[in-house]
Amino acid sequence: NAGVTQTPKFRVLKTGQSMTLLCAQDMNHEYMYWYRQDPGMGLRLIHYSVGEGTTAKGEVPDGYNVSRLKKQNFLLGLESAAPSQTSVYFCASSYSGATYGYTFGSGTRLTVV
Amino acid sequence: AQKITQTQPGMFVQEKEAVTLDCTYDTSDQSYGLFWYKQPSSGEMIFLIYQGSYDEQNATEGRYSLNFQKARKSANLVISASQLGDSAMYFCAMREWPSNTGKLIFGQGTTLQVKP
Repeated sequence: NAGVTQTPKFRVLKTGQSMTLLCAQDMNHEYMYWYRQDPGMGLRLIHYSVGEGTTAKGEVPDGYNVSRLKKQNFLLGLESAAPSQTSVYFCASSYSGATYGYTFGSGTRLTVV
Repeated sequence: AQKITQTQPGMFVQEKEAVTLDCTYDTSDQSYGLFWYKQPSSGEMIFLIYQGSYDEQNATEGRYSLNFQKARKSANLVISASQLGDSAMYFCAMREWPSNTGKLIFGQGTTLQVKP
């Protein structure tokens, strides 16, 4: 049982380049989330999805886009990468329900130079 | 608005001793869940323990227990008999319920170092 799989694990981009981070879960979770983690700032929500075909903005959505065409996949896109987007990105998924926490992916370390 | 506060950016504890990591939360809802996650230096996020707002007993999972004081809105994590492998960052999080987003709100984290 894979849980939540993020690809790639590491990436270096040049400013202005684009890329897509893929998150795949095999637990039939309804909810999926993208966070970024920066030193001293904890985890900040970028975008999230409460079901296939739906997405919504989190607290730091600027510069990112997402899609959830299939229930098991949640894609995070950077159209024109900026150095400020250097971060560790985590995908998470969850069942709906108060007692269910997140299952996290292993993270993607992105550096924009 | 929901908020999680972890006031201890960093802590040290001697191996085999107990340590308490503080977490206070702010919510106007009666129904919510509280979670603790561990992030070792390898980077993955590991779920440790859950406490529901209506749970009468404090949650326990092995060496982890949650000291839940509802009136004070605190949900401190207690690690008994610390081990070197407990050195990590620890995050407290909350989810209000009902919710149409299921979002967890995270604190800033506490870095714990266990000394041999």
